[in-house]
Amino acid sequence: RKEVEQDPGPFNVPEGATVAFNCTYSNSASQSFFWYRQDCRKEPKLLMSVYSSGNEDGRFTAQLNRASQYISLLIRDSKLSDSATYLCVVNKDTGRRALTFGSGTRLQVQP
Amino acid sequence: GAGVSQSPSNKVTEKGKDVELRCDPISGHTALYWYRQSLGQGLEFLIYFQGNSAPDKSGLPSDRFSAERTGGSVSTLTIQRTQQEDSAVYLCASSFQVSSGANVLTFGAGSRLTVL
Repeated sequence: RKEVEQDPGPFNVPEGATVAFNCTYSNSASQSFFWYRQDCRKEPKLLMSVYSSGNEDGRFTAQLNRASQYISLLIRDSKLSDSATYLCVVNKDTGRRALTFGSGTRLQVQP
Repeated sequence: GAGVSQSPSNKVTEKGKDVELRCDPISGHTALYWYRQSLGQGLEFLIYFQGNSAPDKSGLPSDRFSAERTGGSVSTLTIQRTQQEDSAVYLCASSFQVSSGANVLTFGAGSRLTVL
């Protein structure tokens, strides 16, 4: 089983749609969680951190379910510019600061 | 600098040759990471440097891979006797070191390596 698993997609949605991605992680001791965004042939960039109580940043909402070991990202009112690959990222080991990345979920927002 | 700088941006080499990839992190960032990303795949952790501590080399796939970080700043990733499966984008990232939790990484644009 992969440490961090995501549905690769692609998710093809029309502009204005609401779309949700899920991600599961295998290590119950994982401490920190993030969503990164990666545009085609570009480097990943931090989208948002994921907090235990859930958090929102504009049209984006992230949630964490520790009991079930999954993280979600909800995008409301999708824009064409949201088209990208969304990477679920977990800090696997408290003793090591490196992050473990999922393979990503590709989103294509269509006009 | 303003961001993480990597060079070369593209490198084509022949199987069996050695390559060096360079990363210049954001000024003041004490932590530096190397990842690689094969086509259509996620990021694979390679190595992590933090200050003067011994690096975490647990992600290096073989002894053909090595990295060093001189003066706590610039890092070089060296791949000896390259193989075709080494073809990937090699991404460097840097961050401040936080006292707990995980660091937020800023990535460079990557070095795309093609081994013929």
